[in-house]
Formats: sequence, structure tokens, C-alpha cells
Amino acid sequence: NIVLTQSPASLAVSLGQRATISCRASESVDSYGNSFMHWYQQKPGQPPKLLIYLASNLESGVPARFSGSGSRTDFTLTIDPVEADDAATYYCQQNNEDPFTFGSGTKLEIK
Amino acid sequence: EVQLVESGGGLVQPGGSLKLSCAASGFTFSSYGMSWVRQTPDKRLELVATINSNGGSTYYPDSVKGRFTISRDNAKNTLYLQMSSLKSEDTAMYYCAREGLRRPFAYWGQGTLVTVSA
Repeated sequence: NIVLTQSPASLAVSLGQRATISCRASESVDSYGNSFMHWYQQKPGQPPKLLIYLASNLESGVPARFSGSGSRTDFTLTIDPVEADDAATYYCQQNNEDPFTFGSGTKLEIK
Repeated sequence: EVQLVESGGGLVQPGGSLKLSCAASGFTFSSYGMSWVRQTPDKRLELVATINSNGGSTYYPDSVKGRFTISRDNAKNTLYLQMSSLKSEDTAMYYCAREGLRRPFAYWGQGTLVTVSA
């Protein structure tokens, strides 16, 4: 199975500053010219919400403050500038290989 | 608007069975693959089953293979998960999720809680 390692496990960022979350895959998640990596946001008591698909594509309705980058085994979710509403846990997820797997999550606190 | 509403969760004893349902609306259910994803008490997310649009192809990870069965009724716009031989480690919030174009889990329901305990 592809293991996704997120770092840091938690971070605190001041309002208006940049938050950067990393996701490292145990093997490449690239195929056919695409990186099969996605990012989700989850707030307490709610299901995960898709933010970024195929590494860098912004889901409809998601603010442009969110962006994704990376390829093969190293991926990054950036939130710039951070707003109070961004306090949540963020997960990466790959579907290049069965079973689809998720990272363990990064909890973002807003200072 | 896409809506997914899960039901059927509850408290069950180890070794018992439970059947979850997910009622779908707001889209053409028969055109999309569907999945069940669970979130354990430590907030870890795990795919437990996937089914294609016509029900002809399914996938299960090793952790549930042989114990869980995913199915769908396209006439009733409903997705199911039959769970048997339940273990304490199956305790989780169970979400149904719909695929999107190039996105495996584009839409999620609110979840139904399954607790396996004596």
C-alpha cells in the first residue's frame, strides 16, 4: 500500500500569513501525465470537503487562497493568506494505486 | 444539489452484522461510481468499499474483504454496505462518497456512526 506521510501533524499560523502542509508518498502517485493526489479539508462534525484534485486543480467554489503543487512523491498544500475560517484538519489522498489511501491529517490552528 | 444521506448505523456486538444505506439525490445516481469511507475515532480515514456505476465491479481493501459487501439499487438511488463479522476496530463514522470527473471522492454524506462493542 502507498503510505502518505503528512507534516507537520499540527501548525499554528497567524491571520493573514501563509500555511504550508506537506504530503510525502512512499512511492510515486504519477501516471499518464497526472499526479493522482488530492487534498481535503475537514471541520469538526463535518465530512471531508474536496479542495484540490490531481495535485494542483482547485475544486469549484474553493477560494483561490488555496493552492496545491508537487509531483511523484512530494506534494504541498498552501493557504495564503490564512483566514479564521480555515481552522480545520487537512488530509491528502492518493488514487494512483489500490487501495486508495489517506494521510494522517494536519490540524491547522489560526492565531 | 448533490445530497447523500446515510442511515443504519448503531451499536452492535462483536461478531454481529449491520447494513448501512446511503440515499442519493440531486444527480443521476446510475452514472457514478460510489464508495464507502470510514473515519476511526483517532480520525484516520480509510476506504472500505467501492462500486462502479452499474454495480458490476467492486473493490475492497484486505481489512474488510470477505466481511463487507457493497451494493447499489439504481432504481432506488440507494447505495448499501452490508457488514458482517464485525470487530471492535470497525468502530467508525461511515461516509458514502460519490466520484467526480477525475476525483474519487468529490461529494460526501454526513455519515452514520457504527460502534462495535459488547
